[in-house]
Amino acid sequence: EAGVAQSPRYKIIEKRQSVAFWCNPISGHATLYWYQQILGQGPKLLIQFQNNGVVDDSQLPKDRFSAERLKGVDSTLKIQPAKLEDSAVYLCASSLVGLAGLGLHEQYFGPGTRLTVT
Amino acid sequence: GENVEQHPSTLSVQEGDSAVIKCTYSDSASNYFPWYKQELGKRPQLIIDIRSNVGEKKDQRIAVTLNKTAKHFSLHITETQPEDSAVYFCAASVRGGATNKLIFGTGTLLAVQP
Repeated sequence: EAGVAQSPRYKIIEKRQSVAFWCNPISGHATLYWYQQILGQGPKLLIQFQNNGVVDDSQLPKDRFSAERLKGVDSTLKIQPAKLEDSAVYLCASSLVGLAGLGLHEQYFGPGTRLTVT
Repeated sequence: GENVEQHPSTLSVQEGDSAVIKCTYSDSASNYFPWYKQELGKRPQLIIDIRSNVGEKKDQRIAVTLNKTAKHFSLHITETQPEDSAVYFCAASVRGGATNKLIFGTGTLLAVQP
């Protein structure tokens, strides 16, 4: 089966510019996650979608970050305006389901987008 | 808040030796504990996971043990090979709003010396 797809793979922007990342999850996976991975650290969850609804965005800096999953499949993550500390790899992951009480199914990660803010 | 601590941060072993990575978690309601392997510049890949209703799980040279009372779990790699060299992340599920989410450890850089 095809894996999680992300684009672009690399992006370099200046601070205060905006940027958008795209993710296509594994076919049939209802749950989609965006993670931020700063160099030398583990992935940190930014936002989680169940189909096209947000179920957790507690760690998303909402003053500058936004995300959507309009048709319950593809998703975009946007940063506007970017700061130097946003330099990181942005990972998208998907899983079959992730509802409380039904357990947490395995998450499969995409290749990530490496963002450098100068 | 919830957190996952992972030790050691770096681990160097000789080829053929065993490697052990340990993680502790804070949320007693955590019930799912995956381990991911991330090679340089690549995506994290799930290598093994364990749920809270079992104490140990094995898959060839890899095993994971879970001690719910002490709230810690460990990854064991036997007969290490150079291709095992990578960063390994543990994670634990926590309740986040209407669903569960994963909290990741800080990673362990494993170097297997040939």
